[in-house]
Amino acid sequence: EADIYQTPRYLVIGTGKKITLECSQTMGHDKMYWYQQDPGMELHLIHYSYGVNSTEKGDLSSESTVSRIRTEHFPLTLESARPSHTSQYLCATTQTVPNTGELFFGEGSRLTVL
Amino acid sequence: GESVGLHLPTLSVQEGDNSIINCAYSNSASDYFIWYKQESGKGPQFIIDIRSNMDKRQGQRVTVLLNKTVKHLSLQIAATQPGDSAVYFCAEVTGANNLFFGTGTRLTVIP
Repeated sequence: EADIYQTPRYLVIGTGKKITLECSQTMGHDKMYWYQQDPGMELHLIHYSYGVNSTEKGDLSSESTVSRIRTEHFPLTLESARPSHTSQYLCATTQTVPNTGELFFGEGSRLTVL
Repeated sequence: GESVGLHLPTLSVQEGDNSIINCAYSNSASDYFIWYKQESGKGPQFIIDIRSNMDKRQGQRVTVLLNKTVKHLSLQIAATQPGDSAVYFCAEVTGANNLFFGTGTRLTVIP
């Protein structure tokens, strides 16, 4: 099993605050992803990384940014949070070899912006 | 918050009955197909996968069927239990681990 940790699990903040959602994995997987998901809705890819110093935007436009300075760490940052950013953010990892495509997900960070 | 995407289709079944969850995919070049289960408040978890060169694969109480002719994938759950209540997503994997999720189906098991 993959060990992937997201913090905080729950966060309530005011409009205009800067926040960083942390995602760490201990499996040495090269690929990491951020998905946004509203309750009972689809998963939408917002960022992904294929390795250190590699970051790409996903299918859904997002005002967040990511960085990948270390293999095990893939934080997501919102410079100025707004109520429209209220959602659940899921981090996931996978490895290139073997190429099964299976994603391992964290428990998610549920963000509420007032 | 602002909604992203569509509300999920739902399926309700009686406890003990079999469940069939369907999924249509778009890319005929997909290498793998994966079913995920997402319980409330948690991240999706892997259930079962199937390679594109297979038609059927069985796991514990679950069977996945792949029909490449009509680009259709299904997940069958035998003897559905209350613990099976969750949202089920299919995903297709192409190329270098590019994974695309389907819409998802919410399964509710009625005791």
